Amino acid sequence: SYVLTQPPSVSVAPGKTAGITCGGNNIGTKSVHWYQQKPGQAPLLVVYDDSDRPSGIPERFSGSYSGNTATLTISRVAAGDEADYYCQVWDSGLDHPVFGGGTKLTVL
Amino acid sequence: QVQLQESGPGLVKPSETLSLTCTVSGGSVSSGRYYWNWIRQPAGKGLEWIAYIYYSGSTNYNPSLKSRVTISVDTSKNHFSLNLSSVTAADTAVYYCARGRLVAGNFYFDYWGQGTLVTVSS
Repeated sequence: SYVLTQPPSVSVAPGKTAGITCGGNNIGTKSVHWYQQKPGQAPLLVVYDDSDRPSGIPERFSGSYSGNTATLTISRVAAGDEADYYCQVWDSGLDHPVFGGGTKLTVL
Repeated sequence: QVQLQESGPGLVKPSETLSLTCTVSGGSVSSGRYYWNWIRQPAGKGLEWIAYIYYSGSTNYNPSLKSRVTISVDTSKNHFSLNLSSVTAADTAVYYCARGRLVAGNFYFDYWGQGTLVTVSS
């Protein structure tokens, strides 16, 4: 089945920009979706269809691609952005969703 | 606003069957635009998709769990359910239900339940 690879952790200073990557074979041919999960809470969709934001998600959250890597970019990072972030795609071969392993974002 | 709420036993004995129900409010499981999913997360670990069901009854399962999982939908009660048989300690996790949208080959989860912890222990 399709595999998505994320770094286990990313650290960033407040006010700076964080980039969380998600790698997969030919990932540019798939739509990538991103979820934020804070401790004790359910995941929250923050970016869908590569770069769209659900209602209520700040413009500071954006998605992009480069080669075989998708990236969730969080600008002007605040303490409240500290969370685990997961990427997700649709495995068209098996007709089911696949998650990356998750990245813990630490705000220094 | 769509809301999903998981319910079921928080403690299951090894070798028995884990049964959970997700009740949907503010929307209908009979809507043809959505897939209804179960996802789990062991403590300190990542998200694992378990299964989905369409209102018509069409299903798909994670190959790693397929032999033990059954998902069903009851449109009259506006809920869907999960059965996981022959459980072991490895099945201890927070179980989430979630609504999935599939549009032109793009699938994502737009609403989630709060999650329910299920512990497998004698």
